[in-house]
Amino acid sequence: SQQGEEDPQALSIQEGENATMNCSYKTSINNLQWYRQNSGRGLVHLILIRSNEREKHSGRLRVTLDTSKKSSSLLITASRAADTASYFCATRGVGNTPLVFGKGTRLSVIA
Amino acid sequence: SQTIHQWPATLVQPVGSPLSLECTVEGTSNPNLYWYRQAAGRGLQLLFYSVGIGQISSEVPQNLSASRPQDRQFILSSKKLLLSDSGFYLCAWGESGETQYFGPGTRLLVL
Repeated sequence: SQQGEEDPQALSIQEGENATMNCSYKTSINNLQWYRQNSGRGLVHLILIRSNEREKHSGRLRVTLDTSKKSSSLLITASRAADTASYFCATRGVGNTPLVFGKGTRLSVIA
Repeated sequence: SQTIHQWPATLVQPVGSPLSLECTVEGTSNPNLYWYRQAAGRGLQLLFYSVGIGQISSEVPQNLSASRPQDRQFILSSKKLLLSDSGFYLCAWGESGETQYFGPGTRLLVL
């Protein structure tokens, strides 16, 4: 079953703008991860945030986690055309359980 | 460094034919292994995962089966393919509770 739900389903922005994607989930988590998928390719891990963390940065990426609202956001600053891809959140429950992925947000960055 | 291989990259099979997709991982020992299916423009559906040789957990009742004959080998099979088995199949490996690393995927078209 899919736990994470991304919002919006699709997002189109101009190069240089910021892109924000949101993820909501239903049950308690150990960590939440964001992945990127270029069309027809495998997923690539972007960033992992643990349940006791509130914010994390990696380059142009900023991830926040609000466990009280069971939600996370991914911010990509100063977007580039090469950022065009689908972005998925995935949640990890307690113990050695598999990641559960959302349906993803399709981001288009127009040059 | 670790690498993950999937083959074939693309496969066209008639309805009722058998299927065997192979995934191998290099550079790690006793990884958790996963098979996902992704319908066009959709999220990832976890099909099977394995925490060790011969240990397979099935997430969704279906026409498919999985086996792990060796530590770093994960095979997805079917005795008789259905039209609904078409999709993009992704293998992934990971260590307990952390990041998952995906292969390049196999696109399966059942006609």
